[in-house]
Amino acid sequence: QKEVEQNSGPLSVPEGAIASLNCTYSDRGSQSFFWYRQYSGKSPELIMSIYSNGDKEDGRFTAQLNKASQYVSLLIRDSQPSDSATYLCALTLGAGGTSYGKLTFGQGTILTVHP
Amino acid sequence: NAGVTQTPKFRILKIGQSMTLQCTQDMNHNYMYWYRQDPGMGLKLIYYSVGAGITDKGEVPNGYNVSRSTTEDFPLRLELAAPSQTSVYFCASYSGVLSGNTIYFGEGSWLTVV
Repeated sequence: QKEVEQNSGPLSVPEGAIASLNCTYSDRGSQSFFWYRQYSGKSPELIMSIYSNGDKEDGRFTAQLNKASQYVSLLIRDSQPSDSATYLCALTLGAGGTSYGKLTFGQGTILTVHP
Repeated sequence: NAGVTQTPKFRILKIGQSMTLQCTQDMNHNYMYWYRQDPGMGLKLIYYSVGAGITDKGEVPNGYNVSRSTTEDFPLRLELAAPSQTSVYFCASYSGVLSGNTIYFGEGSWLTVV
């Protein structure tokens, strides 16, 4: 079983719709969770981080974490064509300071927002 | 405000050649990393360092070596390049939990082994 799993997509949504991206993970000791956006040919760009159960909102983005069910999701409201990119779910394994900031990534979900 | 700088950006190697990918950061971060990203995949950790003189293997270390003689620099050495090492390589540094808990990525180095 992969440590971090994402549906590779592509996920296609119309402009103005809500895009929902999901990620499941296998290690219950995972502590910190991140969503990165990656445009083609570019490096990953942090969108959201979430550390505790529940929702976290930042502008058009909402991250949701459910540690009991071992999933984390990202909602993008009012999707724009500029949101078209690959979205990478990432987490740090281990508790306390043992992770040293090392990230484990999912394979990414390709999102296409069409006008 | 350079952040994390990688060189070269593009390189073509022949099978069996060796090369070094350079990475430097100007944020005085102790933690540094090398990841590789194959097409359509997420990033995988090759090596990491928690400070000058300290390095450790990540998930996919075979065929690579690293050194960390200074806080700023974390070069990645490819010995005897193989086609399987064709990938995009990202260097990153980490601010630490008490300093913003932020990971900074370089712009990437595209390597093709033919």
